[in-house]
Amino acid sequence: GAVVSQHPSRVICKSGTSVKIECRSLDFQATTMFWYRQFPKQSLMLMATSNEGSKATYEQGVEKDKFLINHASLTLSTLTVTSAHPEDSSFYICSAKHGNTGELFFGEGSRLTVL
Amino acid sequence: DAKTTQPPSMDCAEGRAANLPCNHSTISGNEYVYWYRQIHSQGPQYIIHGLKNNETNEMASLIITEDRKSSTLILPHATLRDTAVYYCIVRVGRTGNQFYFGTGTSLTVIP
Repeated sequence: GAVVSQHPSRVICKSGTSVKIECRSLDFQATTMFWYRQFPKQSLMLMATSNEGSKATYEQGVEKDKFLINHASLTLSTLTVTSAHPEDSSFYICSAKHGNTGELFFGEGSRLTVL
Repeated sequence: DAKTTQPPSMDCAEGRAANLPCNHSTISGNEYVYWYRQIHSQGPQYIIHGLKNNETNEMASLIITEDRKSSTLILPHATLRDTAVYYCIVRVGRTGNQFYFGTGTSLTVIP
């Protein structure tokens, strides 16, 4: 089946640094990718929707300058958490929409810990 | 915003059927019902989806009421590995981008 890979799976960084998380669709082209954030014992919260070659659409309350999203190709989207702070510590999950079928496939998530 | 409501938690005995309900009373005619599950610290896993007919696959069955305002996911013979949070999501068509997770149901399968 279709696979979505996220890297890194875990990252620890110091407060004030920036962290980049990659999301790749390994065997299909994804016209649209989505980024979610999940805090402990909570549900997934949609942060933004990105279409290949255009600017991401952010959900209300999500700072676009804080969470930079780039979707430069049909198989890769990146989320950069800029000037990370401890409150940004969370589980970040991406999903990719299959360009042909519209099915959504989720990555395994990336756990960010900001010290 | 999520358009579904689910009980926060349920228990099920191993080997028995697990029936997970979902209310989606404001569902529109072109919206599908999707079910995903999330095992601790992993990404969501697709289970099944349907529009108005009941659906079955190797993982589960989906029963949708005639008025489409609610549905039930059935795991016919629950195992310990089915312990997870189960999410019911409505989506416009099979290609819609509005894919919001509700609070889900935490299912615990008991030995």
